[in-house]
Amino acid sequence: GAGVSQTPSNKVTEKGKYVELRCDPISGHTALYWYRQSLGQGPEFLIYFQGTGAADDSGLPNDRFFAVRPEGSVSTLKIQRTERGDSAVYLCASSPREAGELFFGEGSRLTVL
Amino acid sequence: GDSVTQMEGPVTLSEEAFLTINCTYTATGYPSLFWYVQYPGEGLQLLLKATKADDKGSNKGFEATYRKETTSFHLEKGSVQVSDSAVYFCALSPMNYGGSQGNLIFGKGTKLSVKP
Repeated sequence: GAGVSQTPSNKVTEKGKYVELRCDPISGHTALYWYRQSLGQGPEFLIYFQGTGAADDSGLPNDRFFAVRPEGSVSTLKIQRTERGDSAVYLCASSPREAGELFFGEGSRLTVL
Repeated sequence: GDSVTQMEGPVTLSEEAFLTINCTYTATGYPSLFWYVQYPGEGLQLLLKATKADDKGSNKGFEATYRKETTSFHLEKGSVQVSDSAVYFCALSPMNYGGSQGNLIFGKGTKLSVKP
């Protein structure tokens, strides 16, 4: 499809496990963003890539969270030693340029039991 | 730090009613302001934006005016339809002199339900 694709759409895991969430942006979009949306809250910025490099990772809550974008297209958000508080919808967005309109995927819902 | 405050929901209106969703912001510099909408089962999508004071963003019958003096960006529509039922998010993009940062700061969202 032409939009931002996120997989899996739903992930249930146990406390302490490792998870990976994948984002496939719109082809040709150079900027890629990860956000986290907890229940009843607005999306919260996590990290922003321009090309392959993380231009701003100030929103990552701690060192259990890490994201990569090795070829400047697909990105993976990695969460180590998951905690119940990590349960949220993780949103990915891409943009044709820095500060351009963001196009969001439908999100990956993570539930940590 | 920068922040966005929008009116609590849910908001329930009858079709053809007038809609206002209030949004105020706190920011340094000159942010850009946005309204995003999330329809049921879909991802967030940009509804409208304004990049400087007194700009009016408009789309699909919705309007919002960037008011620097009141630090507000209220969303309005003169006659809502059932298809407007969605969650609406106000957001800002922090902007320093000479460039933008690109990331967005969102409000908590306002759920709108329009009854026929």
